[in-house]
Amino acid sequence: NAGVTQTPKFQVLKTGQSMTLQCAQDMNHNSMYWYRQDPGMGLRLIYYSASEGTTDKGEVPNGYNVSRLNKREFSLRLESAAPSQTSVYFCASSDGDRFVRGYTFGSGTRLTVV
Amino acid sequence: QKEVEQDPGPLSVPEGAIVSLNCTYSNSAFQYFMWYRQYSRKGPELLMYTYSSGNKEDGRFTAQVDKSSKYISLFIRDSQPSDSATYLCAMSETGRRALTFGSGTRLQVQP
Repeated sequence: NAGVTQTPKFQVLKTGQSMTLQCAQDMNHNSMYWYRQDPGMGLRLIYYSASEGTTDKGEVPNGYNVSRLNKREFSLRLESAAPSQTSVYFCASSDGDRFVRGYTFGSGTRLTVV
Repeated sequence: QKEVEQDPGPLSVPEGAIVSLNCTYSNSAFQYFMWYRQYSRKGPELLMYTYSSGNKEDGRFTAQVDKSSKYISLFIRDSQPSDSATYLCAMSETGRRALTFGSGTRLQVQP
């Protein structure tokens, strides 16, 4: 009963470095999402994928790219990390037909850019 | 102005108290309303969801939606120390896949 698995759990990057955050779900969900959570700002949508093969920008996409590798996996890439990208990143998934019943979230990746 | 506003707290109550958590919103197209609970250093987990206006009860939790006032509430009866967490409201429009979240209210229930 893994649900949504995110790796890594913690990461420290230097400004300008790149990295990919990995996310995998085993619930056969159609839709997957990447959010960032900052103090006082709540959860803000970076990108989402309504189904395999499609991706769309969310509220704060600048500085990020995504890949929906297959139905299970949805990765988030920072090409050139900036201190403003220091945040907690959450991946989530939902059954596309019943998204109203809510997302299943991963446990998060804590990223610090110095 | 944010689409969804939520008092960040912290809200501190004694064990056994009734807790009221609230969100206001500006988008009149929101139809689906959810409450998530997030423990420290964990991902949010869905507590309850409702569609349109009205009340919904699940054990010690009651969710209330007043669309005319653009105001939603979560009530927790007989609060327990294990209820100490951050509570996030979330909402969405029909046909819009992604949710819009409030910033969360931190609740502390003192034993």
